Amino acid sequence: SAVISQKPSRDICQRGTSLTIQCQVDSQVTMMFWYRQQPGQSLTLIATANQGSEATYESGFVIDKFPISRPNLTFSTLTVSNLSPEDSSIYLCSVVWGTYEQYFGPGTRLTVT
Amino acid sequence: KQEVTQIPAALSVPEGENLVLNCSFTDSAIYNLQWFRQDPGKGLTSLLLIQSSQREQTSGRLNASLDKSSGRSTLYIAASQPGDSATYLCAVYGSARQLTFGSGTQLTVLP
Repeated sequence: SAVISQKPSRDICQRGTSLTIQCQVDSQVTMMFWYRQQPGQSLTLIATANQGSEATYESGFVIDKFPISRPNLTFSTLTVSNLSPEDSSIYLCSVVWGTYEQYFGPGTRLTVT
Repeated sequence: KQEVTQIPAALSVPEGENLVLNCSFTDSAIYNLQWFRQDPGKGLTSLLLIQSSQREQTSGRLNASLDKSSGRSTLYIAASQPGDSATYLCAVYGSARQLTFGSGTQLTVLP
């Protein structure tokens, strides 16, 4: 299995600012994923991040709002830019391991005031 | 486009009961199905993974079944305990190479 850590675990940010979330995996993985979970909702995939290439964004998510970096096979960052209260969510990173089993980090709880 | 539905949305049972959570999906072309547990404000814990070629998987008091042809999966929890209280999410990994999640079943086990 893969062990995933995220920083920060939670943050409170002001409208108009940005937050960068870090995701660290204890093993090298090809694909990393970023999800958003809005209050009371299930998870929605934001983008898939492969090392050495641009992230692939899902419908409704754009690079200007959610820039992603993937500098190596164990690390990725997601930035949520120009924050608004609607961005208040839990953001989770995940990786696929072995026979397509997916593992998740503990999540970052973002509150925008 | 794959859609995943979970029924019921919420369930409350007394401690010791056996219970079944249901998951259905619209596109049977899947690689696997995973059941997760999520505690309030926390990340997801993988409970069981069923490959598309498998019919069921068991872990302790949990048993998950998969009927790919009918697009259904069930999670059976035996002898429920208050510590089982959480939201249970079903997700399928399909040809789009991504997980599609259901909306979850919020389980409360009363002492």
